[in-house]
Amino acid sequence: EVQLLESGGGLVQPGGSLRLSCAASGFTFSSYAMSWVRQAPGKGLEWVSDISGSGGSTYNADSVKGRFTISRDNSKNTLYLQMISLRAEDTAVYYCSKVGVPAAGTPVFDIWGQGTMVTVSS
Amino acid sequence: EIVMTQSPATLSVSPGERATLSCRASQSVSSNLAWYQQKPGQAPRLLIYGASTRAAGIPARFSGSGSGTEFTLTISSLQSEDFAVYYCQQYNNWPLLLTFGGGTKVEIK
Repeated sequence: EVQLLESGGGLVQPGGSLRLSCAASGFTFSSYAMSWVRQAPGKGLEWVSDISGSGGSTYNADSVKGRFTISRDNSKNTLYLQMISLRAEDTAVYYCSKVGVPAAGTPVFDIWGQGTMVTVSS
Repeated sequence: EIVMTQSPATLSVSPGERATLSCRASQSVSSNLAWYQQKPGQAPRLLIYGASTRAAGIPARFSGSGSGTEFTLTISSLQSEDFAVYYCQQYNNWPLLLTFGGGTKVEIK
């Protein structure tokens, strides 16, 4: 069974740091790009970061550029999101997602984890 | 940045009726559009990609249409399990600047 399991969320003070993890199973992890998508309480979805299958290419939303770093360890089938200089507006459920390509040129979020909550508050 | 606008924000529909959800892009995204369903307390689920292709395991009552800037998700006969929030998402500039619409909540009338 294809599965993603996030961990590492919690309560952190403004300006603090946190590292999220996402353990993948049931598919060849290194063959797929992965993403982080977040959802603030009661709000919609916001794409945060992408990383290629090899880990050699990464992309970030402007809202987190310079503060968040996406990475992966293909030997451990694990995706990470290192977050620094956290702000109240970063409070959200953070989902990791596998980027499937069901047809040529269609990169979509086909598998999602259950999410991990990050709360930035003093 | 491509802005995705969904309408209406809330749609009240009786079970068995048809639901039509709209998504508009601020500039053309060709057919690079996906739809997701999210139920309370759950992660989103992929429904449609390429604007009109159902993802694996998605019932035929879900259909997508459109291209360019105007898109529609139609649920032909609403079942109890279909009451949820639906998001459109463009991936025209993958892997950059992926954007979601604000969502349409489909509720029981």
